[in-house]
Amino acid sequence: KQEVTQIPAALSVPEGENLVLNCSFTDSAIYNLQWFRQDPGKGLTSLLLIQSSQREQTSGRLNASLDKSSGRSTLYIAASQPGDSATYLCAVYGGSQGNLIFGKGTKLSVKP
Amino acid sequence: SQTIHQWPATLVQPVGSPLSLECTVEGTSNPNLYWYRQAAGRGLQLLFYSVGIGQISSEVPQNLSASRPQDRQFILSSKKLLLSDSGFYLCAWSASGSTEAFFGQGTRLTVV
Repeated sequence: KQEVTQIPAALSVPEGENLVLNCSFTDSAIYNLQWFRQDPGKGLTSLLLIQSSQREQTSGRLNASLDKSSGRSTLYIAASQPGDSATYLCAVYGGSQGNLIFGKGTKLSVKP
Repeated sequence: SQTIHQWPATLVQPVGSPLSLECTVEGTSNPNLYWYRQAAGRGLQLLFYSVGIGQISSEVPQNLSASRPQDRQFILSSKKLLLSDSGFYLCAWSASGSTEAFFGQGTRLTVV
């Protein structure tokens, strides 16, 4: 059974810092991995999708990497801003399970 | 462009009352549709998914049911709510043949 773990559960950094959020999964047989952002009381916003054949994806200040063999992904946020404060969720899609399996998220707080 | 609408945003219902949450997607045809629940301190849990009209798969036995009366409409229902049904309900869609998911803004359900 696929399990997704995100470490740390919470992170507080000063504005301007570069930071890394971690995601690990137990079954490397995935089709893709997706990173989401969730603001309090809101739905999920898709940030990046990495196909299983890809190593990384970039969007603006965000860079997500995928090491499928070791069951790990990282989300790198450059030059963090207070507006980046949110909960970040990663999810993997395993074809046999037919749906996204989510981690519990990392709650990020960027202090001005 | 594609958009997903989910309503209501918040709902307070007494125990034993019925429930109907609605989700619609615009700008695409034959989407895959999903209902997730997010409970405090836990990850997102898939409740139902649908690959077409009238085709519903349930992931977790529970007090809830889902229906898809039209191609881009997905409804989550209950005949009698329980206290344990409280939570944040999220509707999502993905294009047919794709696994990239896009989420609605969620419904906060409180059963009292």
